[in-house]
Amino acid sequence: DAGVTQSPTHLIKTRGQHVTLRCSPISGHKSVSWYQQVLGQGPQFIFQYYEKEERGRGNFPDRFSARQFPNYSSELNVNALLLGDSALYLCASSLGWGQGETQYFGPGTRLLVL
Amino acid sequence: ELKVEQNPLFLSMQEGKNYTIYCNYSTTSDRLYWYRQDPGKSLESLFVLLSNGAVKQEGRLMASLDTKARLSTLHITAAVHDLSATYFCAGDDKIIFGKGTRLHILP
Repeated sequence: DAGVTQSPTHLIKTRGQHVTLRCSPISGHKSVSWYQQVLGQGPQFIFQYYEKEERGRGNFPDRFSARQFPNYSSELNVNALLLGDSALYLCASSLGWGQGETQYFGPGTRLLVL
Repeated sequence: ELKVEQNPLFLSMQEGKNYTIYCNYSTTSDRLYWYRQDPGKSLESLFVLLSNGAVKQEGRLMASLDTKARLSTLHITAAVHDLSATYFCAGDDKIIFGKGTRLHILP
């Protein structure tokens, strides 16, 4: 069975542009979470969605938004990109939400903002 | 907001030795997670600890949770080179991560 998939794998953008990152969860998983990992740091929580509803939001500006579709895939959108948005963006899926389920991480999207 | 602190942040050890990574967290957390990350790769889930006194073992790694002390440990027994990686602990529903422990095992 396929694991969590993310696209694109790498992306280069310039300041002020917009980016959309995509995530497909493991089949049967209804929860998707997004994380930002800056080089040398631990991942930082951005959003969690379960059954297409936002269940949690981290300390990120409103330039960051996300949504989950009926097939449980998800998009992360970042507007008005800043140099500091350069990072590895990780998507994780789990069966449910709030019960300590194991999260399975995708390979990530490496975003470079110039 | 939950804060998670790991120590040490860097660890270089010889094969065959035992060592422990510590994870302290600042407020009550219902659950504690341990992950492994290889350079340039994504995260691999190692353990989910759900209750006080929980102990889980997989191969040479054993994780435990003491919710009263707000402490989790990841113990490495008879380390082998393949265990070289960065190990993260994380807690809370939003999965708040520590900074990670970079473990390098010398042959």
